[in-house]
Amino acid sequence: AQSVSQHNHHVILSEAASLELGCNYSYGGTVNLFWYVQYPGQHLQLLLKYFSGDPLVKGIKGFEAEFIKSKFSFNLRKPSVQWSDTAEYFCAVKTSYDTVIFGPGTSLSVIP
Amino acid sequence: DVKVTQSSRYLVKRTGEKVFLECVQDMDHENMFWYRQDPGLGLRLIYFSYDVKMKEKGDIPEGYSVSREKKERFSLILESASTNQTSMYLCASSDGDRVRVSRTEAFFGQGTRLTVV
Repeated sequence: AQSVSQHNHHVILSEAASLELGCNYSYGGTVNLFWYVQYPGQHLQLLLKYFSGDPLVKGIKGFEAEFIKSKFSFNLRKPSVQWSDTAEYFCAVKTSYDTVIFGPGTSLSVIP
Repeated sequence: DVKVTQSSRYLVKRTGEKVFLECVQDMDHENMFWYRQDPGLGLRLIYFSYDVKMKEKGDIPEGYSVSREKKERFSLILESASTNQTSMYLCASSDGDRVRVSRTEAFFGQGTRLTVV
């Protein structure tokens, strides 16, 4: 079965620290990859997406992610986090038939 | 902007009650989804639908059913609510077709936090 794993359940960083959240998926065919963010009390929002082409994709709010096909990975990065980045982050994969599979989520807490 | 609207933000129901969660999208999307979100488990797909009157089971369909009588509306039904169905329920919609992996994202509603007592 297709699955998505995220390396960390909870990450705590100080402001200005660099962030990398790991994501791996298990599926050998064509995939579309996403990172969604859920700020406290808000709905899920798309942070960035990868469909094809340049494996380094840039999203909103200074986030970027790199698709490494050989490693089945799609890690999220941000060079300098802010307190406002405190949120839950979900990696997601779309495979066949438009169904989207989500990872378990990583809760990020940024300390001012 | 795409809008996915769930009818209730918070619901409290008693064990054994029949519960309806409603979702409406305004972008003429073919696909609609119901997920439940639980801490440490992420979002798990309950049911999805590619078209009116069509439905497919997701990963955790037991105890749930769905209805899609109109393209814009997708209802999740808990036939007999149980305490283990206490959760956050998220509806989503997306454009696309079933033939290929379409380059579209899913848009989510605000969620319904259901408590079964």
